[in-house]
Amino acid sequence: ETGVTQTPRHLVMGMTNKKSLKCEQHLGHNAMYWYKQSAKKPLELMFVYNFKEQTENNSVPSRFSPECPNSSHLFLHLHTLQPEDSALYLCASSQASRRTISPLHFGNGTRLTVT
Amino acid sequence: GDSVTQMEGPVTLSEEAFLTINCTYTATGYPSLFWYVQYPGEGLQLLLKATKADDKGSNKGFEATYRKETTSFHLEKGSVQVSDSAVYFCALSDTGTASKLTFGTGTRLQVTL
Repeated sequence: ETGVTQTPRHLVMGMTNKKSLKCEQHLGHNAMYWYKQSAKKPLELMFVYNFKEQTENNSVPSRFSPECPNSSHLFLHLHTLQPEDSALYLCASSQASRRTISPLHFGNGTRLTVT
Repeated sequence: GDSVTQMEGPVTLSEEAFLTINCTYTATGYPSLFWYVQYPGEGLQLLLKATKADDKGSNKGFEATYRKETTSFHLEKGSVQVSDSAVYFCALSDTGTASKLTFGTGTRLQVTL
């Protein structure tokens, strides 16, 4: 039990499908993140939510749409994806504070394949 | 902007060998530095951290020292085990209110008997 749970673990979708990735954290944290992990590239920060408010959107294409209904849940809605979007999508959470840097706690990721 | 450079892998070692994985960084402020580890099929786990110059982070036999003069945070372990086989990521964090991490590309470690 990592404290951050992601579902599904694996997802195969066509370019015209619509699907959603889900993340839930059980750590009482107030910040949640989506990262994209592609082979031989650094992890790419996609979105940051701090106290349910989106505070970061790193030029992510609109075919990725995040949703954070409360501080424990985070979704990534996917539509009309491209094959190059195939990657491991990692959710993370942390306790954001102005005084300290809190480490991120990651889920096990969703392996997405776009066909 | 901030960046992290790690040595390219894979690194292949025999059990009980000494491990060093190099990491250097570029940052405008005074970042905190981290090493994360990713075991097969899992997400990243925090291995150790250091928040200011000359701090030494340590965990599970791994160590790394925050060297401001050389902007480095090299990971070391005196005697690796097969169970240490994983991908290791060096990362830095700015001093914003949310912990936004800048990661390196990761270094795969393979330990053999």
